[in-house]
This record gives sequence, C-alpha cells and structure tokens, in this order.
Amino acid sequence: EVQLVESGGGLVQPGGSLRLSCAASGFTFSSYAMSWVRQAPGKGLEWVSAISGSGGSTYYADSVKGRFTISRDNSKNTLYLQMNSLRAEDTAVYYCAKDQGPDSSDAFDIWGQGTMVTVSS
Amino acid sequence: DIQMTQSPSTLSASVGDRVTITCRASQSISSWLAWYQQKPGKAPKLLIYKASSLESGVPSRFSGSGSGTEFTLTISSLQPDDFATYYCQQYNSYRTRTFGQGTKVEIK
Repeated sequence: EVQLVESGGGLVQPGGSLRLSCAASGFTFSSYAMSWVRQAPGKGLEWVSAISGSGGSTYYADSVKGRFTISRDNSKNTLYLQMNSLRAEDTAVYYCAKDQGPDSSDAFDIWGQGTMVTVSS
Repeated sequence: DIQMTQSPSTLSASVGDRVTITCRASQSISSWLAWYQQKPGKAPKLLIYKASSLESGVPSRFSGSGSGTEFTLTISSLQPDDFATYYCQQYNSYRTRTFGQGTKVEIK
C-alpha cells in the first residue's frame, strides 16, 4: 500500500524551530518529487516547498523562503522539513504530498494524514 | 506569481444535481491544472489532473475541462459522499504551485 506518514509536529514558541518528517512506503521513493503543503485552521491549502526525486532541486514559497529547508534521504525513504524562525502565521496542519513524477512539475496523487504545528507563546 | 480564483466560494445543492465549479488562472497555464476534494479533518484527494484526466478510482461523475486560463470541474449527479470542499491547483510553474481558495459544496 502506498502510504505517507508525517511526524514531528507540536507546540513551539515564536522564533523557535521544528523538524517535520514524512515516512514513505509502497513506492520507489527516489523516483518521485515530494512537497509540503500546509493548511491554517479554517483556511485553504498553501503549497510550501518541493524537492525533486534526486534531491538536487528545491523550491520554496516566498512566505517561507530563508526560514524553511526541505530535504530528503532516499536511503531511508523519508522527507524532511526543517522550520526555523517560526511565526504565529506558520500555525497549520502540514501535509507531505507525492508528485506524479520526478521533477516537481505534476499534481499530487498521494497525501499524508498531516501533522499539526502550533506556534504560540 | 500565478493566482488562482475559484467561484463560487460556497455552493448549495441537492443530491442528484449537476454541479459546476470554475477556476480562473491569472495567466495561461496550458492544461496544467488539478482538482482535489477535501473532507473535514482529512487530507485532500486528487480527482482530476492535466485539466481533464480522471485519477484512477475516481467516479466517472467527476469531469474536468478547460485550458489556458479558464477551467471547470463538473459533478454530473451529486451524491451524498460528494459534499466537501474542492480546490483547483496550477502546476504550470514548478517553482510555485498555487491553489485556489476552495469551493465548499453544501447540502441545500
């Protein structure tokens, strides 16, 4: 079964850091680009960041550029999102999502269940 | 950046109705558009990709059309399981992939 399972969410103070993980199974992880998408409480979907299948190319939304870093370990079938300098407006459910292809240029055909990040003092 | 605008924001309909949701892009995205369905507390689910291609396992009552800047998602006969929020997403620009603001389909 194709599956994505996120972990690492929680409560963090403004200015703090958090690292999210997404464990993939049931497909050849290195063959597909991956993304993080977030959803603030009661709001719509916002694409956050993407990484190619090889890990050689990364992309970020302007709202997180310079603060978040996406990475992947293809030997562990795991995607990461390192979040630094967190702000209240980063509070959201964070989903990892699998691209249909390798190059961060397709729709998302598989999604994880999401992990909640709350930034508050 | 490419902006995506959906209409309406909310739609009230009855079981059996034909439902159409529109998505407009601020510039041409060819056919690089996807539609997702999301239910409360759940992850989004891919319905349509490349504007009109039905994802495997998705009922045939869902269809997509359009190209360039104007796109539609149509549900031919609304079923109880279809009450949800629907999002369009452009992936013409791989540097940023933008979602529409969503359309909530409610029971009339």
